[in-house]
Amino acid sequence: ETGVTQTPRHLVMGMTNKKSLKCEQHLGHNAMYWYKQSAKKPLELMFVYNFKEQTENNSVPSRFSPECPNSSHLFLHLHTLQPEDSALYLCASLAFRDSQDTQYFGPGTRLTVL
Amino acid sequence: AQTVTQSQPEMSVQEAETVTLSCTYDTSESDYYLFWYKQPPSRQMILVIRQEAYKQQNATENRFSVNFQKAAKSFSLKISDSQLGDAAMYFCAYRSAYEGNTPLVFGKGTRLSVIA
Repeated sequence: ETGVTQTPRHLVMGMTNKKSLKCEQHLGHNAMYWYKQSAKKPLELMFVYNFKEQTENNSVPSRFSPECPNSSHLFLHLHTLQPEDSALYLCASLAFRDSQDTQYFGPGTRLTVL
Repeated sequence: AQTVTQSQPEMSVQEAETVTLSCTYDTSESDYYLFWYKQPPSRQMILVIRQEAYKQQNATENRFSVNFQKAAKSFSLKISDSQLGDAAMYFCAYRSAYEGNTPLVFGKGTRLSVIA
């Protein structure tokens, strides 16, 4: 248990559906991240939020839309996805003023797009 | 841009033996952090060990230790007295120390099998 939770753990959706992934941390961290983990590829950074402000968008298609309403919650809104978007989506958080300076990860959401 | 390379896609080790996983990285920065993360079949990414680049002393965490060679840009992980629970994907990661919230750059991972 890292203190970062993600829901749902598994999601199957059609290409015309709209769904959302949720990430929550109660560690008092001030930065949150979305990563995508596809088979046989390195983890890819998607978005970075720092104190609720998006500081990085790593050329992610617009069918992925992040939202960070407060420093404890991070969402990834999904719409009109493609089968190649099937992957494990990992959320992480960081307190960059913390001396440990370490990202803690949630358990991930396994997404399958049909 | 920084890159992280793990040249061993798969490794195996006998239970109770020692194994070393390799990692090299490329950066022009002098201040950074290096990490090893473990991802078991549950897919939970778990921090194994962390090293600050300005520290010459190699980090250790129980049965896990690193060999950090800054000049060679090498950061290998040694697992001693391997246990069945050590079987997992291991990722080496780099993080710049110059900005507060910079993300991790990961290698492709090494799949470690532990043979009973």
